[in-house]
Amino acid sequence: GDSVTQMEGPVTLSEEAFLTINCTYTATGYPSLFWYVQYPGEGLQLLLKATKADDKGSNKGFEATYRKETTSFHLEKGSVQVSDSAVYFCALNTDKLIFGTGTRLQVFP
Amino acid sequence: EAEVAQSPRYKITEKSQAVAFWCDPISGHATLYWYRQILGQGPELLVQFQDESVVDDSQLPKDRFSAERLKGVDSTLKIQPAELGDSAMYLCASSLAAGRGKFTQYFGPGTRLTVL
Repeated sequence: GDSVTQMEGPVTLSEEAFLTINCTYTATGYPSLFWYVQYPGEGLQLLLKATKADDKGSNKGFEATYRKETTSFHLEKGSVQVSDSAVYFCALNTDKLIFGTGTRLQVFP
Repeated sequence: EAEVAQSPRYKITEKSQAVAFWCDPISGHATLYWYRQILGQGPELLVQFQDESVVDDSQLPKDRFSAERLKGVDSTLKIQPAELGDSAMYLCASSLAAGRGKFTQYFGPGTRLTVL
């Protein structure tokens, strides 16, 4: 069945460091891909999405490119802030939304 | 900006008791979803509604869980009786429609359930 694999956390960075969170997927057909962010005690917020191969989703300095050839959708940010500390979920949608297990990001000043 | 509303935010109950969670989706959203998120994991779909009809409840433990969306707007998820393993975050989401990821799902803040 369809699945999403994310790198395990926590990812610990200093402020202004470069961020990469790896995400790969397995799916039949052509899924849409998403990154959601969850701040402590809150629900999920959509961060960015891409609906077809080579699309780049971007928001708030975060970017991810839909790579069909490597079945990947890695999340990147050039300079993280303390306020980016949260759990990040990669997800795919063919006929239902399937999430990875999440990657906790901790950014220290 | 319109949001998905959920209540209560937190619920503590004893095992074998009944609990109910409420969700009000974004106005105009025809599709409503209930997810369960166990600590340290990603959300898993329990049930999906299209208007007032259930379109997917394959992962809903029907012996103890029930969900309804009587008028195709707000929805209630019930657990009776609650078990220790039901402790989790229950998330509600809505989208304009369903369709292979074409329509973004927007999530509410969730209800954190603790069963003692």
